[in-house]
Amino acid sequence: DGGITQSPKYLFRKEGQNVTLSCEQNLNHDAMYWYRQDPGQGLRLIYYSQIVNDFQKGDIAEGYSVSREKKESFPLTVTSAQKNPTAFYLCASRKDGNNQPQHFGDGTRLSIL
Amino acid sequence: RKEVEQDPGPFNVPEGATVAFNCTYSNSASQSFFWYRQDCRKEPKLLMSVYSSGNEDGRFTAQLNRASQYISLLIRDSKLSDSATYLCVVNYGGRRALTFGSGTRLQVQP
Repeated sequence: DGGITQSPKYLFRKEGQNVTLSCEQNLNHDAMYWYRQDPGQGLRLIYYSQIVNDFQKGDIAEGYSVSREKKESFPLTVTSAQKNPTAFYLCASRKDGNNQPQHFGDGTRLSIL
Repeated sequence: RKEVEQDPGPFNVPEGATVAFNCTYSNSASQSFFWYRQDCRKEPKLLMSVYSSGNEDGRFTAQLNRASQYISLLIRDSKLSDSATYLCVVNYGGRRALTFGSGTRLQVQP
């Protein structure tokens, strides 16, 4: 079955530590996205990538980094510069075309130890 | 002004009721529109796309009003399982991601 896989489901970060969230898709979608969701809030765009080896900052990119070396993979690193990383992180992908919806992985919950 | 605005609710309705949500968007160049459903502590899932002519999927009907820049979602014969947050989503086209509203929470009560 095609889909988007995020791992791990739960992640704990120590002070000063960088952590990387994995996102893999086998839908052959060109575009991939990372969002952050805080409790009771909407989704905020962190980074997005329309094509391999290219990515753009979203609305809240500070303290995060990404790479897009393969079409299937778009990992997100939460760096120590992100002082409030506790949130629900959602990865999405989308087929080319203006009328195409986004499809989401089932998310990673990140907490500070 | 937010790009996509929704009434956060909650909308508390009895089973079997009809409920409607509206969502307004600020960019008249918006090209496509969607409703997503998000259950507590889960990822958003596509409920339906919203077409210019309106569309229906079972108990759910979506409408688009470009002149007034709003979209609506109507749910008939509400079920307990419809309890969730409904996200209004707009695509402005180009290279940008979809823009999500903050959601409207629906609670269907027995």
